[in-house]
Amino acid sequence: NAGVTQTPKFQVLKTGQSMTLQCAQDMNHNSMYWYRQDPGMGLRLIYYSASEGTTDKGEVPNGYNVSRLNKREFSLRLESAAPSQTSVYFCASRRGDLSYEQYFGPGTRLTVT
Amino acid sequence: GENVEQHPSTLSVQEGDSAVIKCTYSDSASNYFPWYKQELGKRPQLIIDIRSNVGEKKDQRIAVTLNKTAKHFSLHITETQPEDSAVYFCAASGSGGYQKVTFGTGTKLQVIP
Repeated sequence: NAGVTQTPKFQVLKTGQSMTLQCAQDMNHNSMYWYRQDPGMGLRLIYYSASEGTTDKGEVPNGYNVSRLNKREFSLRLESAAPSQTSVYFCASRRGDLSYEQYFGPGTRLTVT
Repeated sequence: GENVEQHPSTLSVQEGDSAVIKCTYSDSASNYFPWYKQELGKRPQLIIDIRSNVGEKKDQRIAVTLNKTAKHFSLHITETQPEDSAVYFCAASGSGGYQKVTFGTGTKLQVIP
């Protein structure tokens, strides 16, 4: 099992550029999440998908869109990147029924100049 | 929505001493409280969790206590070791494993040899 994988690991964008962060899990989990992590701010939820076919906003959704492509994949899109979106992005998943534990991906370090 | 506050933001202890990190939450519907450890440059990993029908849970040198009336929960690490140095996050989640998870802002623990 690869667990939760994310691509890319690092990315530098110019202001106004767009990009999609990819996340996939091979644990047959139902729920998937996108967080951003900034120094001193903890992990803030951007969007989540409780199950395939559903998505909901978290605490900081502005400037982002998501797609739950299928049960395995959950992508995060920045349509017009801004310097305030410089952060480390983590994807996570959890089974949701018998187990509530979240498993995190390795993260994507994004810099917007 | 849920709000999780975590204290202290930094904590230094001598090797062998105990460390205590405290969190409070606002939503009385929350019933799942995990703790994550994040080493520098790594992804967060679950170290212990507790559900609302339990007041205390232990796993070797780590314990978590929950007071639902006061809406606070704490992480206790005994006999600290240098490898316990990391950032620790508390979190709270609503009923069921499909709900969003709200994190505290983290505690940087330094264990001094």
